[in-house]
Amino acid sequence: DIVLTQSPASLAVSLGQRATISCRASQSVSTSSYSYMHWYQQKPGQPPKLLIKYASNLESGVPARFSGSGSGTDFTLNIHPVEEEDTATYYCQHSWEIPLTFGAGTKLELK
Amino acid sequence: QIQLVQSGPELKKPGETVKISCKASGYTFTDYSMHWVKQAPGKGLKWMGWINTETGEPTYADDFKGRFAFSLETSASTAYLQINNLKNEDTATYFCARSSSYLDYWGQGTTLTVSS
Repeated sequence: DIVLTQSPASLAVSLGQRATISCRASQSVSTSSYSYMHWYQQKPGQPPKLLIKYASNLESGVPARFSGSGSGTDFTLNIHPVEEEDTATYYCQHSWEIPLTFGAGTKLELK
Repeated sequence: QIQLVQSGPELKKPGETVKISCKASGYTFTDYSMHWVKQAPGKGLKWMGWINTETGEPTYADDFKGRFAFSLETSASTAYLQINNLKNEDTATYFCARSSSYLDYWGQGTTLTVSS
């Protein structure tokens, strides 16, 4: 199974600053055309919400302050500028093979 | 609009059986696979498996083989998760999610509490 290691487990960022979350896969999840890595946001009591698909493609309706990058085994989710409503837990997930797996999550709080 | 609506909260005793439903609307049910995800209280997301909505063939993650069963009622655009011989550790919120590689639409979650 592919293990996804997210870091940090939690971070506190000031309003308007940048939040950077990393996700490292135990093996490559990229081809020359696609990276099978996706990012989700989950707020308490709600289901996860898709933010970024295929590493860097913003899901429709998601604010442009969210961006994703990376390929192979190393991926990053950036949020800039951070707004109050961005306090949530963020998860990466691969779809390279079955079983799908998720990272352990990164909890974003405001300073 | 696309929606996945799950059945309501459940309170069960160990050893009992539960069946959770996930009704899809706003798209062609058989065009997308349906996945199930478990979230224990205060924990992260765990993928349980998926069901091919065209053929009805289920695939289970290793930790969910044996007591868990995915099924469909295609005429009603509904997917089901059944858990047999419930254990305390099955206490969690269960989500269904539509997939086209990524999980783009999710149900609201069904909270299952298993307690004697």
